[in-house]
Amino acid sequence: AQSVTQLDSHVSVSEGTPVLLRCNYSSSYSPSLFWYVQHPNKGLQLLLKYTSAATLVKGINGFEAEFKKSETSFHLTKPSAHMSDAAEYFCVLTTGTASKLTFGTGTRLQVTL
Amino acid sequence: NAGVTQTPKFQVLKTGQSMTLQCAQDMNHEYMSWYRQDPGMGLRLIHYSVGAGITDQGEVPNGYNVSRSTTEDFPLRLLSAAPSQTSVYFCASSYSGQGLSYEQYFGPGTRLTVT
Repeated sequence: AQSVTQLDSHVSVSEGTPVLLRCNYSSSYSPSLFWYVQHPNKGLQLLLKYTSAATLVKGINGFEAEFKKSETSFHLTKPSAHMSDAAEYFCVLTTGTASKLTFGTGTRLQVTL
Repeated sequence: NAGVTQTPKFQVLKTGQSMTLQCAQDMNHEYMSWYRQDPGMGLRLIHYSVGAGITDQGEVPNGYNVSRSTTEDFPLRLLSAAPSQTSVYFCASSYSGQGLSYEQYFGPGTRLTVT
């Protein structure tokens, strides 16, 4: 069985400060991992993906994530938060075909002035 | 290129009514799927299809039917709506196969309320 745990349901940061959204995974096979963002009343948009190439993955809008096999983690970071980053973020795991996606429960990021 | 489109955006049903949520994609993706999103639960897979004429159940299929007569369309049917089906429904598509890196493209969602 595979699972994804997003360690924080809600994160609040000030604009201009770093963002850290934590994701741990469990999988018996080599995983592919994704981060998606969902702005209010919108669909999900891919931020970045890890597919067994470089362990440090850069995505859109200045986000990046590092795959750490020893820690089974795939945390999402951004050096400086912007108001437009306020959204819900989902960590997603797959170990097989496209039909076997496992979603985390999401982390709501709040950005304050 | 419209991507993944869903209609309607909003729907209110009474218990026992039936309806079809429409989903279409113009990217020639083999794989299409339906998810429901409920607060605190992430997205859960309802049904999916790996090509025209082929469908299979996901994690929460009860109360829903699907069919895939064309590559482009993947409608989701609620047979007899129940309040427990109040949710936001997302359709997604991607390339299929054994590769691990296929990005899912999501539609904008349908917000369904069953009273």
